[in-house]
Amino acid sequence: EAQVTQNPRYLITVTGKKLTVTCSQNMNHEYMSWYRQDPGLGLRQIYYSMNVEVTDKGDVPEGYKVSRKEKRNFPLILESPSPNQTSLYFCASRGSTGPGQPQHFGDGTRLSIL
Amino acid sequence: DQQVKQNSPSLSVQEGRISILNCDYTNSMFDYFLWYKKYPAEGPTFLISISSIKDKNEDGRFTVFLNKSAKHLSLHIVPSQPGDSAVYFCAASATGTASKLTFGTGTRLQVTL
Repeated sequence: EAQVTQNPRYLITVTGKKLTVTCSQNMNHEYMSWYRQDPGLGLRQIYYSMNVEVTDKGDVPEGYKVSRKEKRNFPLILESPSPNQTSLYFCASRGSTGPGQPQHFGDGTRLSIL
Repeated sequence: DQQVKQNSPSLSVQEGRISILNCDYTNSMFDYFLWYKKYPAEGPTFLISISSIKDKNEDGRFTVFLNKSAKHLSLHIVPSQPGDSAVYFCAASATGTASKLTFGTGTRLQVTL
């Protein structure tokens, strides 16, 4: 089954404790992206990757890092989480064909930073 | 600066009637528009899209209309079914922007019996 898998689905942690949210896709997609969803703001892009070793900032990259060492994986790293990073996070992937092709989303990771 | 706006946070429609969800955008460079549907505890799933060279795209019960001069698009669901109850996000992208999707804030649709 074609899917984007995120782990963990839920996490409560404390300010300053480094955490990583993993994302893996099995569709051989070049493009992957991270979004956060906040009330009243919709989904906003954090980082994206056009291919292995190619990453770039989205609209709200502050406080986040990413890496793309393999095509299938695109982890999101919070080096020193803060309460304003409490949010619902989605990873997405897309094949390379055309700007109108839809992105496929994971089921989300709800992070609470205390 | 919200480039994609969904001004109705919620909408309630009776089963069998038409649901109309609206979306406005400000960036004239957007040339693809997509609608996503989201159930609780799940990720958004793609519903339907439209290119700016068209003014209508239809897929079963779902039709998207695009009015470029007004920078407005709408999603029509006919007939509405209880399983359509979800949050609907409008998204837009522009050619040459590395597949970046700009999302609206979403409209929660409730289809009542």
